[in-house]
Amino acid sequence: GEDVEQSLFLSVREGDSSVINCTYTDSSSTYLYWYKQEPGAGLQLLTYIFSNMDMKQDQRLTVLLNKKDKHLSLRIADTQTGDSAIYFCAERDPLGAGSYQLTFGKGTKLSVIP
Amino acid sequence: EPEVTQTPSHQVTQMGQEVILRCVPISNHLYFYWYRQILGQKVEFLVSFYNNEISEKSEIFDDQFSVERPDGSNFTLKIRSTKLEDSAMYFCASSTPIGARGPYEQYFGPGTRLTVT
Repeated sequence: GEDVEQSLFLSVREGDSSVINCTYTDSSSTYLYWYKQEPGAGLQLLTYIFSNMDMKQDQRLTVLLNKKDKHLSLRIADTQTGDSAIYFCAERDPLGAGSYQLTFGKGTKLSVIP
Repeated sequence: EPEVTQTPSHQVTQMGQEVILRCVPISNHLYFYWYRQILGQKVEFLVSFYNNEISEKSEIFDDQFSVERPDGSNFTLKIRSTKLEDSAMYFCASSTPIGARGPYEQYFGPGTRLTVT
């Protein structure tokens, strides 16, 4: 089955870029997602990328995908204190394999130092 | 903007009691899900529901769990006889508007924190 791994903590200074990394195991065509969870809150979908793409940019967010290494990263430009949260990488069931359930990583806690 | 809602936000129950967690998915979505997150751990898939039946369930979703869509808007998760280890945040999600193709993004509700004492 799918497995998704992330580093647990990241600390950056306000204004710097943050890069959150994730590795996944399934090599089939699928979608990969980034969710943000603020303290006491639910999961907010930030962005996604299809596994045949290399990069996707959405305002301050850039997603990079290295298919060969099954490595996904989320770059947040000009990180703000409001970006402090836990960021989850998630992999969707491969196309045609089921009900599109998500497999999540453990989440990376991003702390932004003012 | 449409959103997934869940009630209650926090539920405290005694071991052995039944609980029902409620969700209102986004109205034109076709797939519904329950996930749970034990404190400090990964978000784990429990069950998916499509066309009024369970389409997939995980090993966690044993006989004490059931799901229902009792009407056109609500989607419920019932835990028949709660155990201490059922204490977790339970998230409902929905995806796939009618006629959609593509990423089938899942939109999550704010969660229900279940505490079993």
